[in-house]
Amino acid sequence: GDSVTQMEGPVTLSEEAFLTINCTYTATGYPSLFWYVQYPGEGLQLLLKATKADDKGSNKGFEATYRKETTSFHLEKGSVQVSDSAVYFCALLPYGGTSYGKLTFGQGTILTVHP
Amino acid sequence: NAGVTQTPKFQVLKTGQSMTLQCAQDMNHEYMSWYRQDPGMGLRLIHYSVGAGITDQGEVPNGYNVSRSTTEDFPLRLLSAAPSQTSVYFCASSLGQPSTDTQYFGPGTRLTVL
Repeated sequence: GDSVTQMEGPVTLSEEAFLTINCTYTATGYPSLFWYVQYPGEGLQLLLKATKADDKGSNKGFEATYRKETTSFHLEKGSVQVSDSAVYFCALLPYGGTSYGKLTFGQGTILTVHP
Repeated sequence: NAGVTQTPKFQVLKTGQSMTLQCAQDMNHEYMSWYRQDPGMGLRLIHYSVGAGITDQGEVPNGYNVSRSTTEDFPLRLLSAAPSQTSVYFCASSLGQPSTDTQYFGPGTRLTVL
């Protein structure tokens, strides 16, 4: 079945450091890929998404490129801020069929940014 | 708009008790779903609905029931709570298919079953 694997955390960085959170997936066909963010005490929010190979999703300084050849969707940000401290989830949605809503999530990566 | 609301925020149950987690959205979204979040496991889909009167099972449906009598509400029922159902539960909604339309998540309900 479909699966998503994220780099193990937690990740601790200093402010203005470069961030990479790795995400790889296993799925048939051409899934859509997502990054969600969960701030302390809140629900998940969509951060960015990509629906086909080579698409780049971007939002709030974060970027991720859909790489079908390496089945990856790594999250990057050039300069993190304390306010980026949160849990980040990679997720995929299978393509087509009766696959509504069956998002498959990775286990989440806790990011802590220190001043 | 209030978005997606969930009640209660916290709940403690004894094994065998029943309860209903409430979820409502005021965005006229057709699609609604329930997830549970457990440490180290991400979120897993419990049940979902593509419109009023239509529901289907997700990845981990056992021990849970749902119904969708209105577009706005999608309650999740635990008929006989078990310690394995201790988790954080999130409700989500989207206007259309999640591949094209953003899913909005509620703030969650933290459930402990003793």
